[in-house]
Amino acid sequence: EPEVTQTPSHQVTQMGQEVILRCVPISNHLYFYWYRQILGQKVEFLVSFYNNEISEKSEIFDDQFSVERPDGSNFTLKIRSTKLEDSAMYFCASSEGLVTYEQYFGPGTRLTVT
Amino acid sequence: RKEVEQDPGPFNVPEGATVAFNCTYSNSASQSFFWYRQDCRKEPKLLMSVYSSGNEDGRFTAQLNRASQYISLLIRDSKLSDSATYLCVVNIGRRSSNYQLIWGAGTKLIIKP
Repeated sequence: EPEVTQTPSHQVTQMGQEVILRCVPISNHLYFYWYRQILGQKVEFLVSFYNNEISEKSEIFDDQFSVERPDGSNFTLKIRSTKLEDSAMYFCASSEGLVTYEQYFGPGTRLTVT
Repeated sequence: RKEVEQDPGPFNVPEGATVAFNCTYSNSASQSFFWYRQDCRKEPKLLMSVYSSGNEDGRFTAQLNRASQYISLLIRDSKLSDSATYLCVVNIGRRSSNYQLIWGAGTKLIIKP
């Protein structure tokens, strides 16, 4: 069964450093998403991406965040200058169609900023 | 009012019991509704989409009341493997915001043998 994959599973970085989280969505999916979940809190939408551009982003997704699909398979989330409060689990998801379609989630990357 | 509000939990129930989860949402324009399940430190997984007419999948029944902006999930004959956090998810409902899902905080379910 096809699945969304994410690397690394755990990333530790120092405050102020840049990190890139990587995702490989399911191959025939057209819509891609990033979410984050701070430990013990709810899942929060960050951004959606379709047709090589951002479709929508939340208030959390400020100028220090960016997304890219550098080739036909990878979908990345970059955090330019990490803060302590960026520590969270970051989930990538993909779907065949718009929001009424099931979003398939990857296993997540746990980001720890020290 | 929170955009998506769920019972705070946790629910501790014996195996075989029936469990009901409740969820309310604030945006009357929301069109898509889902129940996800999340195991500890794992990714969310779709359990059911919720349709206006209500829908059932084995031991699971989901219902939607648009007038009351209320969604429910019923689990019958609960199993130990049902232990997880159940997340109510709603699309934001603004015309320009079809892509964005709003997540409830989740209700943790613990099934006891």
